[in-house]
Amino acid sequence: DAGITQSPRHKVTETGTPVTLRCHQTENHRYMYWYRQDPGHGLRLIHYSYGVKDTDKGEVSDGYSVSRSKTEDFLLTLESATSSQTSVYFCAIRGSNQPQHFGDGTRLSIL
Amino acid sequence: TQLLEQSPQFLSIQEGENLTVYCNSSSVFSSLQWYRQEPGEGPVLLVTVVTGGEVKKLKRLTFQFGDARKDSSLHITAAQPGDTGLYLCAGSEIQGAQKLVFGQGTRLTINP
Repeated sequence: DAGITQSPRHKVTETGTPVTLRCHQTENHRYMYWYRQDPGHGLRLIHYSYGVKDTDKGEVSDGYSVSRSKTEDFLLTLESATSSQTSVYFCAIRGSNQPQHFGDGTRLSIL
Repeated sequence: TQLLEQSPQFLSIQEGENLTVYCNSSSVFSSLQWYRQEPGEGPVLLVTVVTGGEVKKLKRLTFQFGDARKDSSLHITAAQPGDTGLYLCAGSEIQGAQKLVFGQGTRLTINP
């Protein structure tokens, strides 16, 4: 969707390998979020950022880390991927007093 | 931890019928959003309700926020095959970064 790009869109990797997902925005919004979507759970918040180098944990943060070194990029890292982290990952952005706007997701499979 | 219970999780009806999806919580939210999601895409915002008792209409879709801001409903009149999709409700916390808490989703199928 316009303004927010996730990469890669699909990835297959092995247990124990590191994985980094990227979210890039062109809207200059302050807030960025990472969610995972699993059947029966809707979307659950992993981490979020409220500015450059300002991040905080969400509901399901164990096993994940994030970094935001510049406004436009928010990276999600799985240091040592496990099969339980197989999921679809969504990034969202939000400007002040605006609703969250979602990217098209990354489908991650960990074998 | 705030939770949103969405029901039903699956609904399959015939074209022309009416339906209601419910979203319930024991927590108070500052606002509640309804999203629609197509396969391979991210959720797309349909509506945001902010005030207790608020009703918003979007063509054949009617959204209501409960008086206590703990629950919401989505009613579709005369459903059409184009309404098929995954519908998600999400509650926003009162302060701070407005983190969203999502319901489990309702997968709606409208049969011609």
